[in-house]
Amino acid sequence: DAGVIQSPRHEVTEMGQEVTLRCKPISGHNSLFWYRQTMMRGLELLIYFNNNVPIDDSGMPEDRFSAKMPNASFSTLKIQPSEPRDSAVYFCASSSTLGLAGGRDTGELFFGEGSRLTVL
Amino acid sequence: AQSVAQPEDQVNVAEGNPLTVKCTYSVSGNPYLFWYVQYPNRGLQFLLKYITGDNLVKGSYGFEAEFNKSQTSFHLKKPSALVSDSALYFCAVSFDRGSTLGRLYFGRGTQLTVWP
Repeated sequence: DAGVIQSPRHEVTEMGQEVTLRCKPISGHNSLFWYRQTMMRGLELLIYFNNNVPIDDSGMPEDRFSAKMPNASFSTLKIQPSEPRDSAVYFCASSSTLGLAGGRDTGELFFGEGSRLTVL
Repeated sequence: AQSVAQPEDQVNVAEGNPLTVKCTYSVSGNPYLFWYVQYPNRGLQFLLKYITGDNLVKGSYGFEAEFNKSQTSFHLKKPSALVSDSALYFCAVSFDRGSTLGRLYFGRGTQLTVWP
C-alpha cells in the first residue's frame, strides 16, 4: 500500500495567492482528516470527513479556508487568499473502522508526509 | 471537554537507560489511547494503542505503555533507549461515543533526545 499521499511537499507563495493542497487517502479508508502543525500551536485538527461528508469543520480558522472531498480517493484543502500566518505544515490522515462492536472508528490514523507551506 | 496533557516538552536520556514519556488525559466515557512518533520532516507514525483489555500495551520498536485508569495516565516507556529513538512523541485520545466516528485529541508533543 502506498500510504497517504500528499502534494505538494513544499509550497512557497506570496501573500494573497491561492493555495491548494491535495491528499489521496489509503484505499478503503472511509475517514479523512486535515491537520495543521506549527511550533506555536502544535497539531490542530482543521476538518474531518467520514464517507466523503464533512463531519466537523470547527477547526477551520476562517472563511479563507475550505476543504472538499469529491470522492473517496481525493481531498483538497484550499486557502484563498493566503496570509503569512498560514505558514505551517499541513497533514492529511486517513483511517477506517476496525470492525469492533458497533463499527466504531477507534481513531488509528495513518498520516501523509505533510505539505510545508510558506507564505511570504 | 476532552484533552490530553504531556507535561514535559523535552525528555533527555542516555542510551541504554530506560525512558518514560508522560501523558495524562481527560475524556467523557471510555478512552481509546494512542502514541504516535514523528521524525524530522516526516508525518506522524502510529506506535501503539489501548482500546480495552490488558493495561500494559506493547507496540513498535520495543515501546510499551501502561494504562492507569485511576490516575488517567498512559505513559510511554522503553526499557533501554536508543539514539535512534530521538524524535517527537505525541499522545492522543479518542473515546467511545457510540457512533462510527471518533476524532483524536492530540497532546502538544514531547521531544525525546537520547544521547550516546
